[in-house]
Amino acid sequence: SQQGEEDPQALSIQEGENATMNCSYKTSINNLQWYRQNSGRGLVHLILIRSNEREKHSGRLRVTLDTSKKSSSLLITASRAADTASYFCLESGGSNYKLTFGKGTLLTVNP
Amino acid sequence: DAGVTQSPTHLIKTRGQHVTLRCSPISGHKSVSWYQQVLGQGPQFIFQYYEKEERGRGNFPDRFSARQFPNYSSELNVNALLLGDSALYLCASSPTSAGNTIYFGEGSWLTVV
Repeated sequence: SQQGEEDPQALSIQEGENATMNCSYKTSINNLQWYRQNSGRGLVHLILIRSNEREKHSGRLRVTLDTSKKSSSLLITASRAADTASYFCLESGGSNYKLTFGKGTLLTVNP
Repeated sequence: DAGVTQSPTHLIKTRGQHVTLRCSPISGHKSVSWYQQVLGQGPQFIFQYYEKEERGRGNFPDRFSARQFPNYSSELNVNALLLGDSALYLCASSPTSAGNTIYFGEGSWLTVV
């Protein structure tokens, strides 16, 4: 199965600070996707980075990908209380079959 | 354009009963996947359907079944409900079976009492 594992499991910061979350995966990928989940809600797609890309930006989000280390990081700059959520990574591309998420990183942004 | 829509949003069932959850993918998407998410865990893969055929199944008992209709909508059925089936059930759609952005619905909260 394809699985991303997020690190740290929990992160608490103050509003305005930056938050960095990491993801490690095990197989070769075509792309890696990051999602946000507010408590009890569905997953919101944040960004997709392809295996031939090293960095991608979307608003306050910056994602990097290191295929040699099988790892990715998500940076949220100038965090806001509304960024409080769980963040998941999902490696995908070979197939959408048996995609499995890790436990995610629970980010708490304190006002 | 509408996103992935799921119904019902919340439901309560009794042990031993049967439940049907429904999902409408984004228009033009032919792949639908189902996930179970229990509190504190990440989503766990249950099924993937593409072009009305089952393409994959996760480690779930035969009490779980699904199907995809000609309009690409999908149903997840769970028989003989157990307390442990209480979870958020998420549906996801994508244009093809691999390589594209996967979009999730808001989920159906199932409570088994």
